[in-house]
Amino acid sequence: NAGVTQTPKFQVLKTGQSMTLQCAQDMNHNSMYWYRQDPGMGLRLIYYSASEGTTDKGEVPNGYNVSRLNKREFSLRLESAAPSQTSVYFCASSAEGQGAGYFGPGTRLTVL
Amino acid sequence: EDKVVQSPLSLVVHEGDTVTLNCSYEVTNFRSLLWYKQEKKAPTFLFMLTSSGIEKKSGRLSSILDKKELSSILNITATQTGDSAIYLCAVLASGTYKYIFGTGTRLKVLA
Repeated sequence: NAGVTQTPKFQVLKTGQSMTLQCAQDMNHNSMYWYRQDPGMGLRLIYYSASEGTTDKGEVPNGYNVSRLNKREFSLRLESAAPSQTSVYFCASSAEGQGAGYFGPGTRLTVL
Repeated sequence: EDKVVQSPLSLVVHEGDTVTLNCSYEVTNFRSLLWYKQEKKAPTFLFMLTSSGIEKKSGRLSSILDKKELSSILNITATQTGDSAIYLCAVLASGTYKYIFGTGTRLKVLA
């Protein structure tokens, strides 16, 4: 099992550009999450999907959109990147949103 | 508003020392508390504590949940340089799927 995979690992964007971060899990988990991690701020929830076909806003959703494509895949889109979105982005999944969350390796995004 | 606070923010110890990391929370309808270790990359799961499982131990690491005090501690005995990491605490409330994370405790273990 690969667990949770994310692509790309690194990305540099210019202000105003768009991009999609991809996430997939092979653990048959229902719940999936997108977090961003900034120095001194811990992990902040952007969006989550409790199950296939549903998505909900987390703590910091502005500037982002998500798609739960199927049970395995949950993507995060930045429509018009801003320097404030420079961060490390982690995707995670858990069974029924109850147990331990398992994290992907992260994407380091820099917006110039 | 749900909140998780960890202390201390950072800690430097020498190999062989014992450390205690703290996590306190204010969450409506608490369900579970989780501890993670984060080295250079993604957080890795350590323990999950619930009302029915308030104490967990794995090797030199142990954790206790105090539901009365709304807090948890993570103990690491006989620390090693490989324990150097950020330790994250997260809390899950009933009826939600959202894990609320603290800002973490950065532990550095010197040889």
